[in-house]
Amino acid sequence: EVQLVESGGGLVQPGGSLRLSCTGSGFTFSSYWMSWVRQAPGKGLEWVANVKQDGSEKNYLDSVKGRFIISRDNAKNSLYLQMDSLRGEDTAIYYCAAMTFGGPFDYWGQGTLVTVSS
Amino acid sequence: DIQMTQSPSSLSASVGDRVTITCRASQSITTYLNWYQQKPGKAPKVLIYAATSLQSGVPSRFSGSGSGTDFTLTISNLQPEDFATYYCQQSHSAPRTFGQGTRLEIK
Repeated sequence: EVQLVESGGGLVQPGGSLRLSCTGSGFTFSSYWMSWVRQAPGKGLEWVANVKQDGSEKNYLDSVKGRFIISRDNAKNSLYLQMDSLRGEDTAIYYCAAMTFGGPFDYWGQGTLVTVSS
Repeated sequence: DIQMTQSPSSLSASVGDRVTITCRASQSITTYLNWYQQKPGKAPKVLIYAATSLQSGVPSRFSGSGSGTDFTLTISNLQPEDFATYYCQQSHSAPRTFGQGTRLEIK
């Protein structure tokens, strides 16, 4: 059974930092591009960042460039998102998702909630 | 960035109906178009990929069509479990943008 399990969400003050983790199982993690997709409360889906299978290419949503860093460790089947200088508009459920290049997000985690508030 | 525009934003229908949701891209994405279903409190699930291909395990009452900039998702013979929110998403280029969603409600 394919599983992606996120962790690391929580309540953080504006300007603070948080590191999200996602661990995959039941599929060949190292064969997939990995992404973070977020969903603000009551809103639609927004792609945040992705990283190539070997970590050599990374892409970011403009509004998170310079603040978020995506990384992966294939030996641990893990994906990470380091989030710095957090803002209220970053409040959302953050999903990790696995995709093939040019393909859909095939597998999704259950999501982890990040709340940025004082 | 490629903008994805879905219509309608919400839709009421009855069990057994046939419904169509449309998605328009701001530039050609050939067939790099995917459709997802999301139920409350759950992660999205892919229904259709590459505009017309049915994801394994998805009922055949779901179908997709289109290429270039205009796409449709059709659900035939609506079932109670189909009432959810649907999103299109382009996988042509970064950022991998989504449509704003279509909420399908029971009439």
